[in-house]
Amino acid sequence: SQTIHQWPATLVQPVGSPLSLECTVEGTSNPNLYWYRQAAGRGLQLLFYSVGIGQISSEVPQNLSASRPQDRQFILSSKKLLLSDSGFYLCAWASGTSIWGDTQYFGPGTRLTVL
Amino acid sequence: AQTVTQSQPEMSVQEAETVTLSCTYDTSESNYYLFWYKQPPSRQMILVIRQEAYKQQNATENRFSVNFQKAAKSFSLKISDSQLGDTAMYFCALGSGSRLTFGEGTQLTVNP
Repeated sequence: SQTIHQWPATLVQPVGSPLSLECTVEGTSNPNLYWYRQAAGRGLQLLFYSVGIGQISSEVPQNLSASRPQDRQFILSSKKLLLSDSGFYLCAWASGTSIWGDTQYFGPGTRLTVL
Repeated sequence: AQTVTQSQPEMSVQEAETVTLSCTYDTSESNYYLFWYKQPPSRQMILVIRQEAYKQQNATENRFSVNFQKAAKSFSLKISDSQLGDTAMYFCALGSGSRLTFGEGTQLTVNP
């Protein structure tokens, strides 16, 4: 069966510091991978998605970037964090086999607080 | 552009009763999927149920069922025999191609 991991689970960082959040998927090959951000009590905002190694689509211009160095690894980064980067970050994977809409399966998330 | 609207920010129900959460959407696609996800206090997003737009039969998963009205672009979730563990934020989502568009969510509280 497939599993998705995210770490760290919780992170507190000062403004201006760098960021690296990691997501890995097990039990599947060539998945679509996604990064979302969720503000408290709100819906999910798609940040980045990837359909393959080195292929990244950015949905929202911002202070963040994403990379996919391996098939089942997706990394969210920032060189200098802003206060507005605080939130709950969710990684998700999908099989990428349906042109009409894949089911996305989510990781446990990372709670980021920028002080 | 695709949109998903959940008009009920909060709802409550007594344990063992039935509750219906509403969702409307807009898309120009003829083929798509619709989803309900649950986010309990742990904040893990959990798939509740999925509906393929080309299927007329409403999807069911144990106590969860949907009322899919394609012409009206409506996709409601019915939870029967509500349990305390059903307390969560529920998100409706529209899938087309590789992306999902989420509504803003409905906070459901099940009271003992």
